[in-house]
Amino acid sequence: DGGITQSPKYLFRKEGQNVTLSCEQNLNHDAMYWYRQDPGQGLRLIYYSQIVNDFQKGDIAEGYSVSREKKESFPLTVTSAQKNPTAFYLCASSLADTTDTQYFGPGTRLTVL
Amino acid sequence: QQQVKQSPQSLIVQKGGISIINCAYENTAFDYFPWYQQFPGKGPALLIAIRPDVSEKKEGRFTISFNKSAKQFSLHIMDSQPGDSATYFCAAPTTRRGTDKLIFGTGTRLQVFP
Repeated sequence: DGGITQSPKYLFRKEGQNVTLSCEQNLNHDAMYWYRQDPGQGLRLIYYSQIVNDFQKGDIAEGYSVSREKKESFPLTVTSAQKNPTAFYLCASSLADTTDTQYFGPGTRLTVL
Repeated sequence: QQQVKQSPQSLIVQKGGISIINCAYENTAFDYFPWYQQFPGKGPALLIAIRPDVSEKKEGRFTISFNKSAKQFSLHIMDSQPGDSATYFCAAPTTRRGTDKLIFGTGTRLQVFP
């Protein structure tokens, strides 16, 4: 059963704590992405990776960090430096090219109290 | 910073009616314009996409129209159904730091009433 999974679905953290969101895919895709979704602002790209051990900043990378040690995994850490971390986070993957379909996970809703 | 302007922000349509969502872009790396559909609490999924060799693409009740000179493209949903109620995102490719990426619009929340 191929797909992209994110865990957990809901996450609560206290202000000042770092938190890591999981993203795993078994589609054998080279490219993986992290987006943040806020009401009225669409999908904004945080980080993306086109190959293992390499990743680039997106439009809103400040306060976030990622790693890509394995092809199937692309975890996102929301650090205490992120000023407004409460949001819906979406992970996606695609074969490689920008014109390849991006497959999204179900998302993680992070709430910082 | 490249933007994709999407309108309207929300849309209410009666069952059987036509839903129209518009997007405008500034510049693109190449012609590839996808539309994604997102149901509440789920991740978006590709609905339909258009590539450079055509100005219109139809798949069932969904049609993309593309106007290259005006830098605009739109999604038309014919015979709208309550099951079409979702948020729709357009996207356009751009090149930043030598890498092509998709830039998404701000989304349109469509509600179809019986």
